[in-house]
Amino acid sequence: GAGVSQTPSNKVTEKGKYVELRCDPISGHTALYWYRQSLGQGPEFLIYFQGTGAADDSGLPNDRFFAVRPEGSVSTLKIQRTERGDSAMYLCASSLQAGNEQFFGPGTRLTVL
Amino acid sequence: QKEVEQDPGPLSVPEGAIVSLNCTYSNSAFQYFMWYRQYSRKGPELLMYTYSSGNKEDGRFTAQVDKSSKYISLFIRDSQPSDSATYLCAMRTTDSWGKLQFGAGTQVVVTP
Repeated sequence: GAGVSQTPSNKVTEKGKYVELRCDPISGHTALYWYRQSLGQGPEFLIYFQGTGAADDSGLPNDRFFAVRPEGSVSTLKIQRTERGDSAMYLCASSLQAGNEQFFGPGTRLTVL
Repeated sequence: QKEVEQDPGPLSVPEGAIVSLNCTYSNSAFQYFMWYRQYSRKGPELLMYTYSSGNKEDGRFTAQVDKSSKYISLFIRDSQPSDSATYLCAMRTTDSWGKLQFGAGTQVVVTP
């Protein structure tokens, strides 16, 4: 079956702009996770959803970052007033339920100029 | 100091050799341990998933967990050039349902 998909695959924006990154989980997976990965580092947890609600958002770095999952399937990560330090690979993962194995998508590479 | 430490490499081995990778960690509450493979500019791919201590084997891959030493290992037998990638260890506690803690990854190069 289809894996986790993320769009766009690449996003280039200017400092101060607003961006939205989309994640489509594996069908039937109730848990969805967002991570950020900088070059040469492992993924860093941002937030995860069980169903429609954010179960743990302790990894969001500040209030410019926000994520939603209104119908318990597709999720959108929103970044306001982007900064150059936000440049990274943004990874989404999903699992059957929270705590099960996490399967990652291909990521969105965000570049803030 | 990071909770999960992993040597960044690169680790270069000849084709057919055994690749030995490891991670150390400081949080004794970690109970679930994973290994992911990541090719350049791609998302991580789950290789092994283990709970608590012990060994797990899957094809050419063997994962070991030694909780007393806070040390986990991944062995790849009969390595192939296609195994050239970055290998990430990840772990979580029992009550942290969604939050995986990753190492920085070890780059492996298998030369023909």
